[in-house]
Amino acid sequence: KQEVTQIPAALSVPEGENLVLNCSFTDSAIYNLQWFRQDPGKGLTSLLLIQSSQREQTSGRLNASLDKSSGRSTLYIAASQPGDSATYLCAVRRDQGAQKLVFGQGTRLTINP
Amino acid sequence: EPEVTQTPSHQVTQMGQEVILRCVPISNHLYFYWYRQILGQKVEFLVSFYNNEISEKSEIFDDQFSVERPDGSNFTLKIRSTKLEDSAMYFCASSATGAHGYTFGSGTRLTVV
Repeated sequence: KQEVTQIPAALSVPEGENLVLNCSFTDSAIYNLQWFRQDPGKGLTSLLLIQSSQREQTSGRLNASLDKSSGRSTLYIAASQPGDSATYLCAVRRDQGAQKLVFGQGTRLTINP
Repeated sequence: EPEVTQTPSHQVTQMGQEVILRCVPISNHLYFYWYRQILGQKVEFLVSFYNNEISEKSEIFDDQFSVERPDGSNFTLKIRSTKLEDSAMYFCASSATGAHGYTFGSGTRLTVV
């Protein structure tokens, strides 16, 4: 059974810092991995999708990497801003088709002005 | 950008009552999903739906739950007799193909009293 873990559970940093959020998964046989952002009481906004054949994806100040063999992904946020404060979730998908996502518990990020 | 739309945003119901949560997935998407998130816990998979039938369901999705795509646009989740422990945020999601990432709606907060 796939288990997804995110470390740390919470992180508070001053504005402007670069930071890394970690995601690990127990079964390396994944199809893709998706990073989401969740604001309090709101839905999930997709940030980046990495297919199993890819090593990284970039969108603006965000960069996500994937090391499937070791069961790890990182989300790098450059030059953090107070608007980046949210909970960040990673989720893995076992196979294509109508396959479920298995989520981590998230990292709650606070960027202090 | 296309969105997944969920209604209502918040529903309060009495224990034992039936509720129907409604979703309009993105129009050219083929795969539809329901997830839930109990306050403070992980996002959990409930059910996936493709080609007018359930593809996969979790152990949470028991006989009290059902899904339906009554027309070409709506996708509904019905809970027949709600329990206190059904209180959660319910998210609908869709994907274009099995290889694409998910797009989530903003959720329906269900409160059972």
